[in-house]
Amino acid sequence: DTGVSQNPRHKITKRGQNVTFRCDPISEHNRLYWYRQTLGQGPEFLTYFQNEAQLEKSRLLSDRFSAERPKGSFSTLEIQRTEQGDSAMYLCASSSPQGAKNIQYFGAGTRLSVL
Amino acid sequence: AQTVTQSQPEMSVQEAETVTLSCTYDTSESDYYLFWYKQPPSRQMILVIRQEAYKQQNATENRFSVNFQKAAKSFSLKISDSQLGDAAMYFCAYRLSGNTPLVFGKGTRLSVIA
Repeated sequence: DTGVSQNPRHKITKRGQNVTFRCDPISEHNRLYWYRQTLGQGPEFLTYFQNEAQLEKSRLLSDRFSAERPKGSFSTLEIQRTEQGDSAMYLCASSSPQGAKNIQYFGAGTRLSVL
Repeated sequence: AQTVTQSQPEMSVQEAETVTLSCTYDTSESDYYLFWYKQPPSRQMILVIRQEAYKQQNATENRFSVNFQKAAKSFSLKISDSQLGDAAMYFCAYRLSGNTPLVFGKGTRLSVIA
């Protein structure tokens, strides 16, 4: 098990640009979650998938955000027309109902800075 | 809506001593899970300990234990024999059964003094 992998680790972009992050979950984990963590705060839920189906989206996920999980493997999170308020750490987690106690395992995150 | 409150933004402890981090939560549900996650600086979040709400017995994992008071909706973490490597942000988290998303508190930054 290689753990949850997120790329890139850091992204600096100019306001108005589009960015895309990738998350590779632990193999055979059917659930994948995206969270956003701003400085001094705990992670906040954005959206999650069971296999390729997007089951829930938070009100935090504005229409500039879109997430996909084609084929139920890796997932991408895209932010269009980035704003300075989008600067945050974006965390991905995965879990399996057959796994150890349904624990969510986290990746190291992608830190986004919007200039 | 479920909420998680950590009232201690920062805590410090002497190496080898014991420290307790506080957490309260608000829910109307009866079947849920509670977690403590550790986030070291610039490193990924890892699970420290987990508690099922239906279990009366407090969870323990080596030097880490919890005091789960369901009626009071309190879930504190006790770290015994603190080590320098315990220095990190600690987040209390809640979720319903069924592998649903986690709801986190704002975290407590723990410093360990040598």
